[in-house]
Amino acid sequence: QKEVEQDPGPLSVPEGAIVSLNCTYSNSAFQYFMWYRQYSRKGPELLMYTYSSGNKEDGRFTAQVDKSSKYISLFIRDSQPSDSATYLCAPSTGGGNKLTFGTGTQLKVEL
Amino acid sequence: DAGVIQSPRHEVTEMGQEVTLRCKPISGHDYLFWYRQTMMRGLELLIYFNNNVPIDDSGMPEDRFSAKMPNASFSTLKIQPSEPRDSAVYFCASSSTGTGKYNEQFFGPGTRLTVL
Repeated sequence: QKEVEQDPGPLSVPEGAIVSLNCTYSNSAFQYFMWYRQYSRKGPELLMYTYSSGNKEDGRFTAQVDKSSKYISLFIRDSQPSDSATYLCAPSTGGGNKLTFGTGTQLKVEL
Repeated sequence: DAGVIQSPRHEVTEMGQEVTLRCKPISGHDYLFWYRQTMMRGLELLIYFNNNVPIDDSGMPEDRFSAKMPNASFSTLKIQPSEPRDSAVYFCASSSTGTGKYNEQFFGPGTRLTVL
């Protein structure tokens, strides 16, 4: 079993839809939960992160962590074609040193 | 800042040849990471350095892979001899030990390696 599991998709939604992206993990020592976004043929870029359990909102994006069930979610409201990318969850035990990436979910937002 | 710089951007080589990938981290960053990305396995951490010292190389697939960081501004990842299964995109990333609880990793554009 992989430490971080993520549905690879692809996920195709119409513009304006609410998108839910999810990961599960097995290491209970993870404390920091990052979401990276990767456009085609580019390197990943940090989208947002949360510490421990709870929610964090940044514009149209909301990250949610439930440590009791080891479940990580990213919600995108009013999705735009520019949101089309691969989204990778990446939890860490701390310090930003070592990240364990999920395989990524490919999202396509269509006009 | 120019960001993390990687070279070459594309590399096509034949099985058995030596391949050297290069990375220049962001100035002032003290952590450097090498990742490999494939469709099947996703983004895998190969090795990372702190202050030019290798900290964790448990992700290096086998002895054919080696990485060095001779100074704070340069690192190499070498594959010798290369095999077709090494075909992937190799990313370098760097981060800085800051005062925050999380230190963002900044990725380079990647090197797309094809081994024929």
